[in-house]
Amino acid sequence: EAGVVQSPRYKIIEKKQPVAFWCNPISGHNTLYWYRQNLGQGPELLIRYENEEAVDDSQLPKDRFSAERLKGVDSTLKIQPAELGDSAVYLCASSRGARSYEQYFGPGTRLTVT
Amino acid sequence: DQQVKQNSPSLSVQEGRISILNCDYTNSMFDYFLWYKKYPAEGPTFLISISSIKDKNEDGRFTVFLNKSAKHLSLHIVPSQPGDSAVYFCAASDNNDMRFGAGTRLTVKP
Repeated sequence: EAGVVQSPRYKIIEKKQPVAFWCNPISGHNTLYWYRQNLGQGPELLIRYENEEAVDDSQLPKDRFSAERLKGVDSTLKIQPAELGDSAVYLCASSRGARSYEQYFGPGTRLTVT
Repeated sequence: DQQVKQNSPSLSVQEGRISILNCDYTNSMFDYFLWYKKYPAEGPTFLISISSIKDKNEDGRFTVFLNKSAKHLSLHIVPSQPGDSAVYFCAASDNNDMRFGAGTRLTVKP
């Protein structure tokens, strides 16, 4: 069984530029999560999808962040424009159902904003 | 607000000895607790979990203990092996979302 796939693995951009991250969850996993992990901290949830529906986006900074999950499979997370404080690792995770506590994480995208 | 806390940023133990990683939480609504292990440049991987109706769960060398009255859980690894060297995250979940601690970096010395 293939794991959660994320791309790119690393991204360096200048502030005010846009950036997008892509995630392909494990096949059959209906729930998809985007987390942000700052240095020395644990992952913090940005948005959670159940199939195509964003059921929890309360922590997503909606002025500059957007996400979509078309057809309930792949998902993209976009930042526009990026700020210096957005430098972090962006993790995607998936699970079988909404109450499936065991989330499977991708390797993450390390974003550096200069 | 940090609802899940791992107060020890690092821990070093000798190979073959016991590693004990600790975690405290504040939200009494959490009903499921997990430990994740993370190697550099990889995402966290699920290690072991425990429901709030239990006080112990064991899986091979790994045992998680839950003390609900103290809002405390711990992960015991025995015997510790050099391959266990990683960052360990404690996580707690209620019906809505999962909160992670900041992690403890475990180093197992040969």
